[in-house]
Parts: sequence; C-alpha cells; structure tokens
Amino acid sequence: AQTVTQSQPEMSVQEAETVTLSCTYDTSESDYYLFWYKQPPSRQMILVIRQEAYKQQNATENRFSVNFQKAAKSFSLKISDSQLGDAAMYFCAHYNNNNDMRFGAGTRLTVKP
Amino acid sequence: DSGVTQTPKHLITATGQRVTLRCSPRSGDLSVYWYQQSLDQGLQFLIQYYNGEERAKGNILERFSAQQFPDLHSELNLSSLELGDSALYFCASSVGSRPYEKLFFGSGTQLSVL
Repeated sequence: AQTVTQSQPEMSVQEAETVTLSCTYDTSESDYYLFWYKQPPSRQMILVIRQEAYKQQNATENRFSVNFQKAAKSFSLKISDSQLGDAAMYFCAHYNNNNDMRFGAGTRLTVKP
Repeated sequence: DSGVTQTPKHLITATGQRVTLRCSPRSGDLSVYWYQQSLDQGLQFLIQYYNGEERAKGNILERFSAQQFPDLHSELNLSSLELGDSALYFCASSVGSRPYEKLFFGSGTQLSVL
C-alpha cells in the first residue's frame, strides 16, 4: 500500500526567507501524481502545487516550487520569500490510478516576522 | 472561497446517535469526495461520487454511508456514533472523476461525539 511520510512535524522560517518541507512516499506504480496542500487556520484545504510523475521538470507556482526525485521517491516543497500568510499546515499527498489519494501527517509551518 | 459549501460547520452529538453532513459542490463539478481528518488517523479518504454514482471507496466504515443526489449535492450519513468518530469531515469537489485534477475543499464539519 502506498504511504506518504512527512518527517518534519513542525518547521519555522523567518519572513522573506526560504524554507523546504520534506516528503517521501512509497509506491509500486510508475504513473502517479503528487500534491502539496495547505491548510490555514480557516481549515480549508487549498492546493498549492501538483506534480505529474511522468514529467521530469519540477513544478513551479510563483514562490512555490518542488524538488521531485522520482528514483528516491522524494517530493519536497520549497517556499521562497516566505510571507506571514504562508503560515499553515502543509500536507503532501500521493495519488495513483486506483483512485486512492493518500496524505501525509502534515508539517506545521510558522512564519516569524 | 472555494465554492464548496458544507453544513453544518459544527455538530455535537452523543454516542449511538446518527447525523447527516451535507455538501454542495462547486457549480459545474460532478465529483464529490468525502474525507475524514482526525488527530490519530490524519486525513483519510472515505468515498467519492461522480455524477450520482459511487466511484471509489476508501476507509469508510460500514456504519457510514453517502449518496449524491440528482442536483449533485451529497450527504454523508454517520450512524451508531462512537467517540472515535469525532473528527473534521471534509467534502471536496472536482470537475471530472479523477482527484489528480484540482480538488476544491469545503471548510469542513467539525463533529464532536460526547
């Protein structure tokens, strides 16, 4: 069964600095999707970025980028120029074609002014 | 605002009771997904409906059931409630049938079983 591991329960970053959140996953599939979702205090889950496994190029969305290492089954999220509004729980998720989306336990990011 | 509406926002009930959680997807979205978020289990996929039909099933207990109506809103029914069912229940929607598309989440229903 696929699993998603986020080894950092909590992280903190100074405003305007860069932080990297780690995620590893386990799968026997070759075609799958990876996601980072953000859950601010409002509780609503918001998609931050998505990566398709067959694409070698790392996905980027403005200040958010990923480092996708398929062989290592690693999918880290880099947040550049951190802002106070980035403070939230961040969840890494993996989806394969069995319609089974698995989430990691989450990393709580604190942004210090 | 994601466009996904969940009601009620909070629900407090007793063990053994039955509750119904409601979800209205974004306009035009055909898929509805239900997730449970708890401290010990994390975020778990329960069930998906696509255009009125059950599409995928996750870790949903037999005491739980769901349906999607012709107007595409969905209800999650939880019966014979136990203390361990206390959790945040999310509904999400997407245009198509695959969650690798962008999922839009509601704000959740916080269920407390006392």
